Amino acid sequence: QQQVKQSPQSLIVQKGGISIINCAYENTAFDYFPWYQQFPGKGPALLIAIRPDVSEKKEGRFTISFNKSAKQFSLHIMDSQPGDSATYFCAAPGAGSYQLTFGKGTKLSVIP
Amino acid sequence: DVKVTQSSRYLVKRTGEKVFLECVQDMDHENMFWYRQDPGLGLRLIYFSYDVKMKEKGDIPEGYSVSREKKERFSLILESASTNQTSMYLCATSVAWNSGANVLTFGAGSRLTVL
Repeated sequence: QQQVKQSPQSLIVQKGGISIINCAYENTAFDYFPWYQQFPGKGPALLIAIRPDVSEKKEGRFTISFNKSAKQFSLHIMDSQPGDSATYFCAAPGAGSYQLTFGKGTKLSVIP
Repeated sequence: DVKVTQSSRYLVKRTGEKVFLECVQDMDHENMFWYRQDPGLGLRLIYFSYDVKMKEKGDIPEGYSVSREKKERFSLILESASTNQTSMYLCATSVAWNSGANVLTFGAGSRLTVL
């Protein structure tokens, strides 16, 4: 069974700062690593995902960095805004399945 | 956009009651999932279905069952609710496995309280 370790559990960042959330996974047979964003009262929504034929993927202020040899990937939020305040989940496929195992989540608070 | 609708946003039930949580999707997605979300534990997969009348256990199936009689509808059933099943329940869908990408679309969730 896949294990996904996500840190930190909570994060407070000043407006304009950089938010960094880290994830580590075990073996996987499939190369697809997404990040989901969840606002209070809503279901999670796909934010950004990477296939590790590249080591980095950037979409606007959000960047995934991927280290395949270390089995780690991270989400960077540049110029963090109060509207980014949400819970973020990383996920990884299993060793023999497309099923995603989620990290335990990081609650991000961006303060003005 | 795919819309995933969970019929009940908030439910309060008593211990021992039978509970049905309904999920309906308006796109032609093959896969449907039920997760539960608890603080500090993240999202844990209860059951999933990749076709009508097909079901597979996830990581925490104990105390739950599911039903998928039509492609667009996936029900989660708690045969005898217990207090430790108080949680947020999330339904999700995805298209058929495509190049290893399991892109999930979630509903807004059903918050169940068992007294």
